[in-house]
Amino acid sequence: DGGITQSPKYLFRKEGQNVTLSCEQNLNHDAMYWYRQDPGQGLRLIYYSQIVNDFQKGDIAEGYSVSREKKESFPLTVTSAQKNPTAFYLCASSTTADTEAFFGQGTRLTVV
Amino acid sequence: QQQVKQSPQSLIVQKGGISIINCAYENTAFDYFPWYQQFPGKGPALLIAIRPDVSEKKEGRFTISFNKSAKQFSLHIMDSQPGDSATYFCAASSSGTYKYIFGTGTRLKVLA
Repeated sequence: DGGITQSPKYLFRKEGQNVTLSCEQNLNHDAMYWYRQDPGQGLRLIYYSQIVNDFQKGDIAEGYSVSREKKESFPLTVTSAQKNPTAFYLCASSTTADTEAFFGQGTRLTVV
Repeated sequence: QQQVKQSPQSLIVQKGGISIINCAYENTAFDYFPWYQQFPGKGPALLIAIRPDVSEKKEGRFTISFNKSAKQFSLHIMDSQPGDSATYFCAASSSGTYKYIFGTGTRLKVLA
């Protein structure tokens, strides 16, 4: 089955630690995205990638980093520089932005 | 100019009633307008989408109305059911770009 997979579903991190969230898609999509969602809030774009080995900052990129070494994979690292990392993180992919975006099931990150 | 303004923030409707959610945009370059449905703890999923060459699109109980001159579009859910209780996001994007602009979401509750 084609789809987009995020792992893990739940993640706990101690303050000061970096943590990496996984996102894999087998839809053959060129574009991939990372969004952050806080309770009762909309979707805020962290980073997006149009093609392998290229990515662009979104609206809230500070404290985050990404890589796009393979078409299928777009991991997100939440660094210790992110002041308030506790949130629900969503990965998505699409052919282009004027077609349907497919979302993963999300990773809930909690800083303890 | 990149914002999409969504209202209301929350909505309570009786079973069988009509739910209406509105969105407004400024950027006339937007040419793709999707609506996403999100259940708690899950990723959003595409519900219905419209392009500006039509004024209305219907899929089952869900209808998008699009007013290009007013730069507004809305989602109508006919015969609303308790299973429709979810958060709904409108979005907009432009051909050839790789960014979706999301509204802030509407939390819909349908009372049985």
